[in-house]
Amino acid sequence: ELKVEQNPLFLSMQEGKNYTIYCNYSTTSDRLYWYRQDPGKSLESLFVLLSNGAVKQEGRLMASLDTKARLSTLHITAAVHDLSATYFCAVVETGTASKLTFGTGTRLQVTL
Amino acid sequence: GEEVAQTPKHLVRGEGQKAKLYCAPIKGHSYVFWYQQVLKNEFKFLISFQNENVFDETGMPKERFSAKCLPNSPCSLEIQATKLEDSAVYFCASIGAGIGTDTQYFGPGTRLTVL
Repeated sequence: ELKVEQNPLFLSMQEGKNYTIYCNYSTTSDRLYWYRQDPGKSLESLFVLLSNGAVKQEGRLMASLDTKARLSTLHITAAVHDLSATYFCAVVETGTASKLTFGTGTRLQVTL
Repeated sequence: GEEVAQTPKHLVRGEGQKAKLYCAPIKGHSYVFWYQQVLKNEFKFLISFQNENVFDETGMPKERFSAKCLPNSPCSLEIQATKLEDSAVYFCASIGAGIGTDTQYFGPGTRLTVL
């Protein structure tokens, strides 16, 4: 059974500093997604990573994938308040079409 | 439409009552997924459809949960005889025909509270 773990579960960030969230998964995967969820809201798609070594960037967020290590990272550069949210990685296990298995989520809080 | 639509936004049921949730996928999307998010942020996959056919139902508690996607109608998820532990937010997501690489787009969710 596929297990997806994120750490940390909670991250208090200072504005302007850099941070990284980690997403580990236990079996081979076709692809990996990062989503953002604001309180009481739906999931907003951030990135989809399809192959080993994939790197995607959007604004202050950069995601990468290492399929050999079964690890994805979400790097935040110079955190700003509007990045405060919960971030989920979600993995599609090889051979399961598009069924998503989600990580535990990382709640980010940016303080001044 | 360009967004996944879900109704109702909130649903309150007494234990043992029936609950029915609806999802209209993005126009042209062939695949629909249902997920359950419980209070501790845990997401659980329930079921997926390819058009009106069940694609994967490995996550469905079959005793009380059922789902349908009929032509020209919103998809539905029905819970017979709700239990307290069914309290959660139920999200629907859809994906286009490119199931291999496309992103799943999520609806706003239906918050079910069972009292």
